[in-house]
Amino acid sequence: DTEVTQTPKHLVMGMTNKKSLKCEQHMGHRAMYWYKQKAKKPPELMFVYSYEKLSINESVPSRFSPECPNSSLLNLHLHALQPEDSALYLCASSHRQTSNQPQHFGDGTRLSIL
Amino acid sequence: AQKITQTQPGMFVQEKEAVTLDCTYDTSDQSYGLFWYKQPSSGEMIFLIYQGSYDEQNATEGRYSLNFQKARKSANLVISASQLGDSAMYFCAMREGPQGSQGNLIFGKGTKLSVKP
Repeated sequence: DTEVTQTPKHLVMGMTNKKSLKCEQHMGHRAMYWYKQKAKKPPELMFVYSYEKLSINESVPSRFSPECPNSSLLNLHLHALQPEDSALYLCASSHRQTSNQPQHFGDGTRLSIL
Repeated sequence: AQKITQTQPGMFVQEKEAVTLDCTYDTSDQSYGLFWYKQPSSGEMIFLIYQGSYDEQNATEGRYSLNFQKARKSANLVISASQLGDSAMYFCAMREGPQGSQGNLIFGKGTKLSVKP
């Protein structure tokens, strides 16, 4: 079992739907990350939150909206997604954004856009 | 620009044998961190081992060891006594930014390891 919990594990949605991905950690980490991973490719960084503030947005389309309500939670709100957004979405956390400590990943959410 | 290269798209190893997964990196920073992650087909990314650029000893974690050759800019992962459960994709990654100012990971393309019984 991972210490970073992501829900749901699978999500199928239409292009007009609104849904949210949730990520939770209780390791006291103050940096949290969203990655997108297509099949047979490495993860691609989307967003970084440091101390609950958005630190990095890797030019992600506005149909993806991150939110960090508190130090343990990270959400990714989805709206009007495209078929090419189908992927594995991974959440990760680390002690701090700039530390040498590793990022710990959740199991991911497999997202399919119809 | 920082870059990670994994030249082996796929590898096979016999159960109980050792295997080395290659990773080379390119950076002009003096301070950096190198990580190896395992990703089974189920999707989760599992942290295996870490090597800091100033660490004098090669990192080891159980059956995993890191062959760190700083002058050659290589950080190869060695898995001893392979098990069927080691079959997975393996990613080498580097922490980005001078003095870790960004802290984000740059990933290689990965190596798919298959362990044969």
